[in-house]
Amino acid sequence: DVKVTQSSRYLVKRTGEKVFLECVQDMDHENMFWYRQDPGLGLRLIYFSYDVKMKEKGDIPEGYSVSREKKERFSLILESASTNQTSMYLCASIREFDSPLHFGNGTRLTVT
Amino acid sequence: RKEVEQDPGPFNVPEGATVAFNCTYSNSASQSFFWYRQDCRKEPKLLMSVYSSGNEDGRFTAQLNRASQYISLLIRDSKLSDSATYLCVVNDNFNKFYFGSGTKLNVKP
Repeated sequence: DVKVTQSSRYLVKRTGEKVFLECVQDMDHENMFWYRQDPGLGLRLIYFSYDVKMKEKGDIPEGYSVSREKKERFSLILESASTNQTSMYLCASIREFDSPLHFGNGTRLTVT
Repeated sequence: RKEVEQDPGPFNVPEGATVAFNCTYSNSASQSFFWYRQDCRKEPKLLMSVYSSGNEDGRFTAQLNRASQYISLLIRDSKLSDSATYLCVVNDNFNKFYFGSGTKLNVKP
């Protein structure tokens, strides 16, 4: 079974802080994703990575960056957290594009 | 027009009922289709993939209608534990997954 692990279940940060969200998958998947999920807006893609050191912007990359130094790890960075980044953040991975997404258990981030 | 549309519900049904959800998609070239279940404040979990010939997993049946561009999920003999939000997900066989807004199901005793 694929396991996607996000480092924190809940986080509370202050406005202006730099925030790191970590995601690790154990199935040697090439493709990893970061989404955020908000009521009424559904899941929106922030960034996508298809290989080590490779990344593509998703639909809402502003205010975020990512890092993929190792195949199993995909990090999301909030450069300067703002209250409108309060959300549920979901990491996911897949091997091939006709496969289903495997989600991590999510990080609920609150920025005050 | 949204790429994937679902009736948000809620669908309120008694235990033992049969309930069906539909999900329409706009891209006729879409390749892969999935149903996910999401409990409150939890991550989406794969319920089943949807194949062209239709597929069944216990009380759950998924179907794909390419001509009309929709997928469906049928739940028979509903259980209290089926209460959740059901998301349909469509992939265009590249890096884009499109998510429905979810259909909320409440199964009542």
